[in-house]
Amino acid sequence: QVQVVESGGGLVKPGGSLRLSCAASGFTFSDYYMSWIRQAPGKGLEWVSYISSTSTIYYADSVKGRFTISRENAKNSMYLQMNSLRAEDTAVYYCARIGGGSGWYFDDWGQGTLVTVSS
Amino acid sequence: QSVLTQPPSVSAAPGQKVTISCSGSSSNIGSHFVSWYQQLPGTAPKLLIYENKKRPSGIPDRFSGSKSGTSATLGITGLQTGDEADYYCGTWDSSLSAVLFGGGTKLAVL
Repeated sequence: QVQVVESGGGLVKPGGSLRLSCAASGFTFSDYYMSWIRQAPGKGLEWVSYISSTSTIYYADSVKGRFTISRENAKNSMYLQMNSLRAEDTAVYYCARIGGGSGWYFDDWGQGTLVTVSS
Repeated sequence: QSVLTQPPSVSAAPGQKVTISCSGSSSNIGSHFVSWYQQLPGTAPKLLIYENKKRPSGIPDRFSGSKSGTSATLGITGLQTGDEADYYCGTWDSSLSAVLFGGGTKLAVL
């Protein structure tokens, strides 16, 4: 069955860096767009970035210039390199597959990995 | 403040019906498909509705979606206590070149 699993979260100081990973299985990873979505404690969902099957990339304004999304199809994996981290980046980060239909929808989500930015 | 506007909370009795609205603009809901997600306490979001009104396999037909102009609506009939969750709408915005989510609506089944 389709599965995406995030890893790499943890505690980091303001200004620091962290790299998140998303391992996919159960589908042809190279055929799908993938995305990162985050949720600050007690808050709603916030889209972070997506990467197409051919590596076209978009970022939310809040992370542009600080975060870098990438994918490695041979390893069925997606990554999020997060630099210059701020307290407001504290959140659970979800990896999600973008559905193959016409609309922008996320049809499979991981369990999330918590990133805490604090001194 | 989210670009997509949802009511913060709704409530209804078990067995009843509830609707959750999602209001946007011509650059997002007015031009693109809408999806809906259910987030049960302590869990990851789950896709409920995509392309305005389609249900993924395994989602009961108690859940329905519709769109008119720059607004979308999620309907839930035959409410159960297990439906208590946060519900989010989502879509693409052409002007922002970004995926948007509504602020979320907390459903209470009283």
